[in-house]
Amino acid sequence: DAKTTQPNSMESNEEEPVHLPCNHSTISGTDYIHWYRQLPSQGPEYVIHGLTSNVNNRMASLAIAEDRKSSTLILHRATLRDAAVYYCILRDGSGGSNYKLTFGKGTLLTVNP
Amino acid sequence: GAGVSQSPSNKVTEKGKDVELRCDPISGHTALYWYRQSLGQGLEFLIYFQGNSAPDKSGLPSDRFSAERTGGSVSTLTIQRTQQEDSAVYLCASSFAGGPGTDTQYFGPGTRLTVL
Repeated sequence: DAKTTQPNSMESNEEEPVHLPCNHSTISGTDYIHWYRQLPSQGPEYVIHGLTSNVNNRMASLAIAEDRKSSTLILHRATLRDAAVYYCILRDGSGGSNYKLTFGKGTLLTVNP
Repeated sequence: GAGVSQSPSNKVTEKGKDVELRCDPISGHTALYWYRQSLGQGLEFLIYFQGNSAPDKSGLPSDRFSAERTGGSVSTLTIQRTQQEDSAVYLCASSFAGGPGTDTQYFGPGTRLTVL
């Protein structure tokens, strides 16, 4: 699987926007960009995914660079509940055994009250 | 609606004993996955069930590990003769179709297994 690179940690203040970056310079044309997060002592939780265009849902927005070599997860107003480890992963949409999720270290987001 | 549920939430066992971990996927999801996550480590794939197809067992670490899925719904992960290195959080996930790329996996809260 193509590799992603994320900062180890980031810090934000409550009710402020958070921009979580992810680099994926070796992304292929069929790779989807997925974001999951894991709150303390909980299972991972899907956040958002996209292919080429920016995406919005109730949880977050995903901004994808024009060359697709990087993307940014945007939390518009961070809350204390958003404190978690955020994982950016690539999943090949062309088939095969790419249903196996593999998480790297992710970014530990701390939200200050 | 109801999410993925797992039981027990915590399990403490003695080395050498067998354990069974249960997963109830989201109703209507045909794909079911087991992963484990050791302390401070990433996600490790164990096994994948999709409908009536033969499961992908390629991630099972040894023949002490087995899993079954009855009636296309509930799944049980069994670890025989547990070892201390089996201590981890065992996570179950399900998805609608099990397809690549766009398929979203929904995780349960996990079972924390401690082998003494």
